[in-house]
Amino acid sequence: EVQLVESGGGLVKPGRSLRLSCAASGFTFSSYSMSWVRQAPGKGLEWVASITSGPGSDIYYADSVRGRFTISRDNAKNSLYLQMNSLRVDDTAVYYCATTTPSTGWYFDLWGRGTLVTVSS
Amino acid sequence: DIQMTQSPSAVSASVGDRVTITCRASQGIYYWLAWYQQKPGKAPKLLVYAASTLQSGVPSRFSGSGSGTDFSLTISSLQPEDFATYYCQQAYTFPHTFGGGTKVEIK
Repeated sequence: EVQLVESGGGLVKPGRSLRLSCAASGFTFSSYSMSWVRQAPGKGLEWVASITSGPGSDIYYADSVRGRFTISRDNAKNSLYLQMNSLRVDDTAVYYCATTTPSTGWYFDLWGRGTLVTVSS
Repeated sequence: DIQMTQSPSAVSASVGDRVTITCRASQGIYYWLAWYQQKPGKAPKLLVYAASTLQSGVPSRFSGSGSGTDFSLTISSLQPEDFATYYCQQAYTFPHTFGGGTKVEIK
């Protein structure tokens, strides 16, 4: 079965760190670009970061997380990661990982169920 | 950054109605636009990409059109399972921005 499963969310205090993981299965993970998209409670979707497939992956960040978050991938483990440092209250959201099919463009065609990150003192 | 503006923010409609949602980009994005459907507590689902290409498995009552700055998503005959929130997203350049969403509610 083709799926993405996020993990690592939870309650964390402002200024602390958290690492999210996304386990992929059922498809050739290394061939797909991957992204993180978040959704604050009751709000819309916000793109967070993306990493391309293949060696020398290109990486892109939203201004709101650049310098604090790091996206990475381990193709041997079929996994995507998001290291989140210096967390702020406004980082509270459900974080989704999503794939992008290389031939079609930066559209998010497969999504995980998401993991909730709550930043609160 | 490219701003994506959706309208309306909410629409009330009945089963069988034709519903059209619009999305305007703050600058031209050619055809680099997608539409997503999201139901409460669920992940978004890709419906349309490249402005008018239906994702595999999406019912043909959904259609997308437009290019440049103005785009639309039309549901030709609203079904009970279509009540959800719909988002547009530009894929022309980073940051990949989403519209604010349109909630399709039962009338």
